[in-house]
Amino acid sequence: SQTIHQWPATLVQPVGSPLSLECTVEGTSNPNLYWYRQAAGRGLQLLFYSVGIGQISSEVPQNLSASRPQDRQFILSSKKLLLSDSGFYLCAWGTGKNEQYFGPGTRLTVT
Amino acid sequence: EDQVTQSPEALRLQEGESSSLNCSYTVSGLRGLFWYRQDPGKGPEFLFTLYSAGEEKEKERLKATLTKKESFLHITAPKPEDSATYLCRDYKLSFGAGTTVTVRA
Repeated sequence: SQTIHQWPATLVQPVGSPLSLECTVEGTSNPNLYWYRQAAGRGLQLLFYSVGIGQISSEVPQNLSASRPQDRQFILSSKKLLLSDSGFYLCAWGTGKNEQYFGPGTRLTVT
Repeated sequence: EDQVTQSPEALRLQEGESSSLNCSYTVSGLRGLFWYRQDPGKGPEFLFTLYSAGEEKEKERLKATLTKKESFLHITAPKPEDSATYLCRDYKLSFGAGTTVTVRA
C-alpha cells in the first residue's frame, strides 16, 4: 500500500530564515505530487504540483519554491521566510483519476 | 476564476440528527468532484469521487450526491466520531473552505 511522509511535523522559524520541508511517497511510481498551504480556518491553497522529476508548476507567486529531485521526493523551500508564510503545509500524491492522498502535514510558525 | 463554495461554514448536530452539507462549483465540464474529511491537525482523508450528475457514493453514515452545479454530503444518524471538517474539491484542484461538523452525544 502507498504511504506518504512529511517532516518535520512542527517547525518554528524566525522571519528571514530559510525553510526546507520534505515529502516522500512509498508504494507507487511516478506519482503526481502537490504542495498545499492551509491558513487557519481556511481551505487549502495549491502552491506547486509536479508530474515528474524536475517538472514543477507554480500556482501562486510567492517567496516559496519547490523541487523534485527524485521520483517520490518533493521538497518545499524558501530562502527567507515571511510572517505570512505561517500555516499548515500539506503534501499530497495523486493518481491518474485525479484523486489525491495527503500526508500528515507540517505546522509552520514564523516568528 | 473557478470557485468551490461550501455551506454552511459550521454545523452542530445532536447524535442521530441527520443533515446535509452543500458544495457548489462553477467549473464547467466537470471531470470529478472530490470529498475529504479532515480531523484537527491532520491531513485530509479522501472519501469519495463523483463523476457525473445523478451519481451517488456511500460510506458508513455518509452519502455523497452530485448534480450539475452542486454536490451534497448527507450524514445519516451521525455519531460523535463523525465530527470533523468536510472539504470538497473540483477536478481543477480548487478546494472549498470546508464545513466543520460537530456532533454532540
